[in-house]
Amino acid sequence: DTEVTQTPKHLVMGMTNKKSLKCEQHMGHRAMYWYKQKAKKPPELMFVYSYEKLSINESVPSRFSPECPNSSLLNLHLHALQPEDSALYLCASSLGHAAVYEQYFGPGTRLTVT
Amino acid sequence: GNSVTQMEGPVTLSEEAFLTINCTYTATGYPSLFWYVQYPGEGLQLLLKATKADDKGSNKGFEATYRKETTSFHLEKGSVQVSDSAVYFCALRDDKIIFGKGTRLHILP
Repeated sequence: DTEVTQTPKHLVMGMTNKKSLKCEQHMGHRAMYWYKQKAKKPPELMFVYSYEKLSINESVPSRFSPECPNSSLLNLHLHALQPEDSALYLCASSLGHAAVYEQYFGPGTRLTVT
Repeated sequence: GNSVTQMEGPVTLSEEAFLTINCTYTATGYPSLFWYVQYPGEGLQLLLKATKADDKGSNKGFEATYRKETTSFHLEKGSVQVSDSAVYFCALRDDKIIFGKGTRLHILP
């Protein structure tokens, strides 16, 4: 199994809703990442988990809350989002967090906040 | 700080044309370099990588060589296909991935 899966593929939510994005990999990778990608822009790093511990938070607003329940799963909990949070949310994983390890990306969840 | 600069798009070519997408970087130390491709409506796929100077990454007919003297990692393909139409991101990796702005490629049949 050499892929990262993400669910759901599309999500529409209101500003008062609570929802979660899910990411899963079974490659034995110990580093997992959340990125946000706006249209026609490169991905922007949000969070890094290394060995199930949060190691990098790129000053992301608290309405985004990551969780890594085990080494294969990564969640992103969403609450009270704003319309400008609409974007493609990408999950990635790598064998470790060191620079030599390439990151494998999932297909993304396209989020629309209404 | 570290940065990646790649040519602005969109780039439009006819099928079977030669492709070059320029990428230069600024970095302290010796980062790993990558090209990622994003097809419409999809996530990013790693296209190729190079981890040290003079390394050549290659995949699916695409090539790029890590040139330390010119701080470049240009992407090339000898004969493009319509299916190569996508957005291409040059990136470097030290503590985290730093992406270029992306180059949109259109291949006409």
